[in-house]
Amino acid sequence: GENVEQHPSTLSVQEGDSAVIKCTYSDSASNYFPWYKQELGKRPQLIIDIRSNVGEKKDQRIAVTLNKTAKHFSLHITETQPEDSAVYFCAASRYRDDKIIFGKGTRLHILP
Amino acid sequence: ETGVTQTPRHLVMGMTNKKSLKCEQHLGHNAMYWYKQSAKKPLELMFVYNFKEQTENNSVPSRFSPECPNSSHLFLHLHTLQPEDSALYLCASSQGRAGNSPLHFGNGTRLTVT
Repeated sequence: GENVEQHPSTLSVQEGDSAVIKCTYSDSASNYFPWYKQELGKRPQLIIDIRSNVGEKKDQRIAVTLNKTAKHFSLHITETQPEDSAVYFCAASRYRDDKIIFGKGTRLHILP
Repeated sequence: ETGVTQTPRHLVMGMTNKKSLKCEQHLGHNAMYWYKQSAKKPLELMFVYNFKEQTENNSVPSRFSPECPNSSHLFLHLHTLQPEDSALYLCASSQGRAGNSPLHFGNGTRLTVT
C-alpha cells in the first residue's frame, strides 16, 4: 500500500522568508496530492492540491511542485506571515480510491 | 462556519462506558469518513462510507463500531475503550471518492478514556 513520508517534522522560519515542506510517496499509481493546514485547535483544511498531469500549481503565496519520476512533491510558502503558523499535512491517493494516505505533518513556526 | 458538524466537542468516558460520536454534513456529499488524530499517528483513517455503504475498514478494533444511516449522518459507537484510544476523532466528507475530491473536516471530538 501507499506510504507517505514528510519532512521536516518541525520548521521555523523568519517572517517574510520562504518555507518548503517535502513529501515522498511509494505508490507510483498515486495521482492526487492534496495539502491540508491545521491551525492549533482547529480542523484540517485543504489549502492546495495537485494532480499528476501537472508539475506545478500556484495560488497566491502557496505553490506545490510534483516530480512523478522521483515520487516526491513539495509545498512552498513565500513571504511567510504569522497566520501561516500551523501544522501542514501532505497526502497521496489514487484517483478511484476511497482512502487517502497522510504524512505525519510538519509544524511550521513563523518567527517575528 | 463549517459544513460538517460533530458532537460532542469533548467526551470523557470510563473504560466500561458506552457512548456515541455523531457527525452530520450539510454539503450534499456522498462519502463520509472517520479519522483518529493522536500525537503518535496523526490523521489515521478508520472507516469510509460511500453512499451509506462501508468501503474501508482500516483494521479498526471492534470496540469501535460505525453506523451510517444515510449520506448525511455518521456515528461512531464506542464501548469498552482503552486509555490509548484517547485522541481527537475527526469526521470528514467529500463529494466523490477521496482520491479525487477534497475532504471537508468537522471540528472533531476530543475523547479522553479514563
